[in-house]
Amino acid sequence: IQMTQSPSSMSASVGDRVTITCRASQDISDWLAWYQQKPGKAPNLLIYSASSLQRGVPSRFSGSGSGTDFTLTISSLQAEDSATYYCQQTRNFPRTFGQGTKVEVK
Amino acid sequence: QVQLVESGGGLVKPGGSVRLSCAASGFLFSDYYMNWFRQAPGKGLEWLSMITDNGRSVNYADSVKGRFTISRDNAMNFLYLQMNSLTVDDTAVYFCARGEYSIAVWGQGTLVTVSS
Repeated sequence: IQMTQSPSSMSASVGDRVTITCRASQDISDWLAWYQQKPGKAPNLLIYSASSLQRGVPSRFSGSGSGTDFTLTISSLQAEDSATYYCQQTRNFPRTFGQGTKVEVK
Repeated sequence: QVQLVESGGGLVKPGGSVRLSCAASGFLFSDYYMNWFRQAPGKGLEWLSMITDNGRSVNYADSVKGRFTISRDNAMNFLYLQMNSLTVDDTAVYFCARGEYSIAVWGQGTLVTVSS
């Protein structure tokens, strides 16, 4: 299953609403996770099952979608949200990721 | 606390082999499926392999199938990745991670560099 994210990169200001999209090449129901990764660090799980917020993740992060189209939203961007974000399908093997979206905070 | 610590990375020649280890602590290792992922320099994340909690079933990415072998020792709380026939394209940071679907627990990664 191919996962396609958009945009590849973006720049936004503190307080902005940010939306990242992820499209699957076939129906994956809600078998989708979102991760945040900062340079030199392991990924950090933000959202699982497309819309469930991982414990300890700030509530400004939310996920939506089902089937083939998914969205990660940051409701009010903070400086510490500068990172690369990845979607991953967990419906089938091989598990596959989107190519990543680099978010820069102005 | 829950922790995964990888080791075994380093410089290896093309065609060579290396075995990565992942020491698990802070949780009942034998209850969890485990995975290996990697990330080439400046590139995205790639899932490589998963092993079930009892070690009886494994899955691999096509890119490593037939070259890499995942295994585990539930008595010692270790996960392994045997990597053979390495090429320069296998140069990456390798992460072990816990979970059957979404991954909430990751190690810090170990760098494998394949170069002559």
